Amino acid sequence: KAGVTQTPRYLIKTRGQQVTLSCSPISGHRSVSWYQQTPGQGLQFLFEYFSETQRNKGNFPGRFSGRQFSNSRSEMNVSTLELGDSALYLCASRSLPSGRGYEQYFGPGTRLTVT
Amino acid sequence: DQQVKQNSPSLSVQEGRISILNCDYTNSMFDYFLWYKKYPAEGPTFLISISSIKDKNEDGRFTVFLNKSAKHLSLHIVPSQPGDSAVYFCAASEGNTPLVFGKGTRLSVIA
Repeated sequence: KAGVTQTPRYLIKTRGQQVTLSCSPISGHRSVSWYQQTPGQGLQFLFEYFSETQRNKGNFPGRFSGRQFSNSRSEMNVSTLELGDSALYLCASRSLPSGRGYEQYFGPGTRLTVT
Repeated sequence: DQQVKQNSPSLSVQEGRISILNCDYTNSMFDYFLWYKKYPAEGPTFLISISSIKDKNEDGRFTVFLNKSAKHLSLHIVPSQPGDSAVYFCAASEGNTPLVFGKGTRLSVIA
């Protein structure tokens, strides 16, 4: 089975621009979660989608949004980019929604640099 | 307020010795705990987990211990190998809520 894939792997944007990141989960997985990883902050939860519906949302401003398509692929959008948005954005998939016993499988991440 | 804390940003251990990575949590409702390992330029990979009804879970060289009264868990790696050098994240969840991660501990295993 192919793993979680994320595109692009690297991205450089300018302050004020917007960006869209893409995630393709493992085949058969219907839950996709997004995380932001910054130096010294660990992984911070952005949101989770299951069957095209947002199930959970982290404590991030409304500039961060996402969606999930019928084939379970997910996109994350950040509008009006700020320097502090520079981070590694990780996508994780699981077969079922959040709940114990169902480990998440992470993609390699998209490294976003905002200049 | 950080619910999952890994107070040691880094740890160095000699090859063949035991590595002990620690994690503290504040939410007593957490009922499931996991450890992930992350190499540079890769996403985190699942290592081992433990339910709150247990106090120990073992998988090969990796053992996780949970002390609910102290709200503390630890990951023991015995014996440590150079390939274990990575960043280790502790994570916890409560029921159906998303995982909450610590900031990670960078383990360096010296040959």
